[in-house]
Formats: sequence, C-alpha cells, structure tokens
Amino acid sequence: GAGVSQSPRYKVAKRGQDVALRCDPISGHVSLFWYQQALGQGPEFLTYFQNEAQLDKSGLPSDRFFAERPEGSVSTLKIQRTQQEDSAVYLCASSSVDVLATDTQYFGPGTRLTVL
Amino acid sequence: DAKTTQPTSMDCAEGRAANLPCNHSTISGNEYVYWYRQIHSQGPQYIIHGLKNNETNEMASLIITEDRKSSTLILPHATLRDTAVYYCIVRVEPGAGSYQLTFGKGTKLSVIP
Repeated sequence: GAGVSQSPRYKVAKRGQDVALRCDPISGHVSLFWYQQALGQGPEFLTYFQNEAQLDKSGLPSDRFFAERPEGSVSTLKIQRTQQEDSAVYLCASSSVDVLATDTQYFGPGTRLTVL
Repeated sequence: DAKTTQPTSMDCAEGRAANLPCNHSTISGNEYVYWYRQIHSQGPQYIIHGLKNNETNEMASLIITEDRKSSTLILPHATLRDTAVYYCIVRVEPGAGSYQLTFGKGTKLSVIP
C-alpha cells in the first residue's frame, strides 16, 4: 500500500527490556514524526526528522527514548529499559515539506506497547 | 500554538449534519485551524484546514468566524463510519516554524442509527 506502515502492531515487553518500533513512511516524504498516545488522551509529539536530520526531539520524555532515521526513509524509535509508564500507542506520521502544500501529516496505524 | 477548547462528546443521528464546534480565542494571525479525526484503533486522519475563509472538500466543511476565535466542522450527512474522535488543532502555517501537531482531547462523536 501507499500509506504509512508501522511494525509491530502490538508489542508486549517486560519492565526493563529494550524495544524497537519501526516506521515506514510514504515514499518520498521528507518529514517524519513520532507521537505517543496514552489511553484516552490525544497524541503527544515526541520527535521530528527532516530527511535523516533529527530537527526536534523536545518531546522525548527521557534519555531512555531514542529515534533514528539513518537514510532518510525508515525510522526506528527505541525505548531502553522500558517502564510501565511507557505503555501507550506510538504513532508515526509523514508529510512532504512543500511549503506551498497543506503540510498534511499522514499517520500510520500505530504500535501498541504494553509494559508488564 | 494556540490552545483549543472542544466539547468532550456529541451525538448525531445518522444522515443528519454533524456540527462540531471549536473555540480558539487566542489564535494568532498566522495560525491555521486544522481538523483531524481518529477512528478507533487507527491513526489520526486529516480532514480539512483553513485560515480565515470557509473551506469545503469531499469530507467536510469548515466555517471560521470573522474574528477567527471559533470554528465549526460540518459533516453534512453523517454515517456510522464517521463515529470517531475529532481534533481541532491550531498551528502556524506550513513552513513557518514548528511542524508538530498539538492535539487536545478532542470531541468524541457518536453517530446513532
């Protein structure tokens, strides 16, 4: 398909384990975003990439959270030493950065992380 | 980005128009109003956006008051598939700074048969 895909869709981790969440953006999209959505809340911004450059990581909640996009396409969000409060849905979005366009963000289905 | 206020929930009868209000009294001159929705277990989906003029597309209409302090999203003929959480978001124009979307809690719209 042509949309944003994320894997895995569901992840269960024991407290203290490391996890890696993958995002495949829409082909050709320059911008990539990660959001965290707790149960019953709206998504909250984590970090933003333009190509391979991480331009904003102000939303990452702690230094246990790390994101990368080494070749400017696929991105991975890594969480080290997971805690129960990390349980949430992690959403990835991509957009083209054409300033004349709507700058619409297209979201993937999310990865639901449960930390036991 | 300006803060928005939306009702927590609304009901709408199937086939009728759904009118979802949003207050954004602190909106700045270069800030747009965006609407996204999130159907259960899916990622948010873009609906429409506008600056000061009313906008319409195949999904919805957006009515922005003249003072730009509030807006209404209109789904002209709601169907059961429109049941979702609707987010009103105010942000600067594309390319003019922060690209992130700041979501609130949104309005949970339930379309009733």
